[in-house]
Amino acid sequence: QVQLTESGPGLVHPSETLSLTCTVSGFSLTGYSVYWVRQPSGKGLEWMGRMRYNGDTSYNSALKSRLSISRDTSKNQVFLKMNSLQTDDTGTYYCTRVTTEGFDYWGQGVMVTVSS
Amino acid sequence: DIVLTQSPALAVSLGQRATISCRASQSVSISRYNLMHWYQQKPGQQPKLLIYRASNLASGIPARFSGSGSGTDFTLTINPVQADDIATYYCQQSRESPPTFGGGTKLELK
Repeated sequence: QVQLTESGPGLVHPSETLSLTCTVSGFSLTGYSVYWVRQPSGKGLEWMGRMRYNGDTSYNSALKSRLSISRDTSKNQVFLKMNSLQTDDTGTYYCTRVTTEGFDYWGQGVMVTVSS
Repeated sequence: DIVLTQSPALAVSLGQRATISCRASQSVSISRYNLMHWYQQKPGQQPKLLIYRASNLASGIPARFSGSGSGTDFTLTINPVQADDIATYYCQQSRESPPTFGGGTKLELK
């Protein structure tokens, strides 16, 4: 069955770099796009960027200067790296599979706290 | 970017109908495709797809959920509301990049 699992550090210090991994199963990264979405605590959902099935990437313009998304298809993994983290980057980070029918499968999310 | 506007909260009684609206700052429809989707999120959980392309029920979603609308105005209806439906509901458009979400409507019990 389709699964996405995010992993990464729960705590990042201000100005440091966040590195997250989304490991997928039940589908191929060359057949489906994977997006990253984040949610500040108690707030709404924000699209961060995407890794398309063909390897193309696209980023939220507000985060573009700090964000990089890549993948390793042999390991079924999509990576997110975001630098210069600040306290307002605290929240839950999700990866989600995308089709023409919406974001149909989501990971359980990883909570990231930015604090010294 | 396309801005999606939802009311922050809606109070309903169990067994009644809940109607949640989402208004887009510009049309999210192309031809016969209405590129609006709805998600349910319970506290501590990831969002779950409920309705895709405005009116299509996602797999495994109960028939008491339905969606309608086109252009800029869309509605998610829950009828009848059950206790398990207490959650926050988000609309999301895929008409243009970047994909955007509404601010969410928190469904509460009267």
